[in-house]
Amino acid sequence: QVQLQGSGPRLVRPSETLSLTCTVSGDSITNFYWSWIRQPPGKGLEWIGYFFYSGRTNYNPSLKSRVTISGDTSKNQFSLNLRSLTAADTAVYYCARYRSNAWFDPWGQGTLVSVSS
Amino acid sequence: QSVLAQPPSASETPGQRVTISCSGSSSNIGNNLVYWYQQLPGTAPKLLIYGNSQRPSGVPDRFSGSKSGTSASLAISGLRSEDEAEYYCAAWDDSLSGPVFGGGTKLTVL
Repeated sequence: QVQLQGSGPRLVRPSETLSLTCTVSGDSITNFYWSWIRQPPGKGLEWIGYFFYSGRTNYNPSLKSRVTISGDTSKNQFSLNLRSLTAADTAVYYCARYRSNAWFDPWGQGTLVSVSS
Repeated sequence: QSVLAQPPSASETPGQRVTISCSGSSSNIGNNLVYWYQQLPGTAPKLLIYGNSQRPSGVPDRFSGSKSGTSASLAISGLRSEDEAEYYCAAWDDSLSGPVFGGGTKLTVL
């Protein structure tokens, strides 16, 4: 059974960079694409981007200039870096296995990140 | 403003049937597969329907999905209190070159 566990800081200062990590168990990150999705408090879901261990990535155009998603096959983890944070980046950040189209399964438990000074 | 349009809320009594709609365009639903996610309060979304109408293992057959043109629907029959959740549709968008979600529909079981 595939499980994803996200980790990272809960509070980040404006203008700084958010770094989150997702640890995968029950599957190798070399077998699928992996993705990050976020959900601002009380709002809907927004796809951030996905990556493949070979280096192929695809980012949401609205975030592309600030986002990097990468992986570490030795640790079976993948990471999200989001730069130049503002309060609008406050959200629950989910990691998920991405199969194709809009097929995300399963999802990690989510990490609430607040951007505040 | 979400690319895929869903009604913000829906409600029905236990045992009844409810349908949640998802409206898009030719750049997303019209030419691509639709997916549905269920988000119970305080939890991560869970895949409910993939490929327009397929149910993952473990999802009851009370849940069904369909697509027609640029719209899709999720139907839940024999409503139970545990079905009270937020439901999201999603599809690949050719213009965005990425997946997009609907704004979500909060289902209340009266």
